[in-house]
Amino acid sequence: DVVMTQTPPSLSVAIGQSVSISCKSSQSLVYSDGKTYLHWLLQSPGRSPKRLIYQVSNLGSGVPDRFSGTGSQKDFTLKISRVEAEDLGVYYCAQTTHFPPTFGSGTKLEIK
Amino acid sequence: EVQLVESGEGLVQPGSSMKLSCVASGFTFSNYGMNWIRQAPKKGLEWIALIYYDSSSKYYADSVKGRFTISRDNSKNTLYLEMNSLRSEDTAMYYCAKASDLPYWGQGVMVTVSS
Repeated sequence: DVVMTQTPPSLSVAIGQSVSISCKSSQSLVYSDGKTYLHWLLQSPGRSPKRLIYQVSNLGSGVPDRFSGTGSQKDFTLKISRVEAEDLGVYYCAQTTHFPPTFGSGTKLEIK
Repeated sequence: EVQLVESGEGLVQPGSSMKLSCVASGFTFSNYGMNWIRQAPKKGLEWIALIYYDSSSKYYADSVKGRFTISRDNSKNTLYLEMNSLRSEDTAMYYCAKASDLPYWGQGVMVTVSS
């Protein structure tokens, strides 16, 4: 299985600051169709996961453009510019390139 | 608006069976594969099963293979997960999620396996 390694495990940031979360995969996530199926999810407290970004850098429906994703092959980053209070929760990266789909262990974002 | 609504949550004893349902609305259910993904208490996410749009293929995580069965009824826009020989380690919140870029998730149902 593809191992997804997320860092850091937790972050504490003030409102208005920017943060980055790293996700590294044990194999390239480029599929045979040339696309990279790396996604970012946010699980707010007590809620189900919500997809923020799909295929590395595409913003999900209704997701603020404060969120951005970059990366390629095995190395990916989620950036949150101007953090807001509603951004707190656990962020997961997920790959659906290889079977079975796998997830990172999560990054807990707390607001100072 | 896309909605996925799971049902069937409960407390069961080890070795028993349980069936979860997920009713979909807001999209053409019969055109998409569907997943079941679970999350043990205070833990991360674990994919457990996938079914193609037409039920032609089904895949399972090793942790549930031979015990869980994924199925669907496209006429009812409903996804199912039949769980047999339940173990304490199956205790988790179970989510259905639309394949393949995981754009939509249900609210989840809690399954507790305990004596």
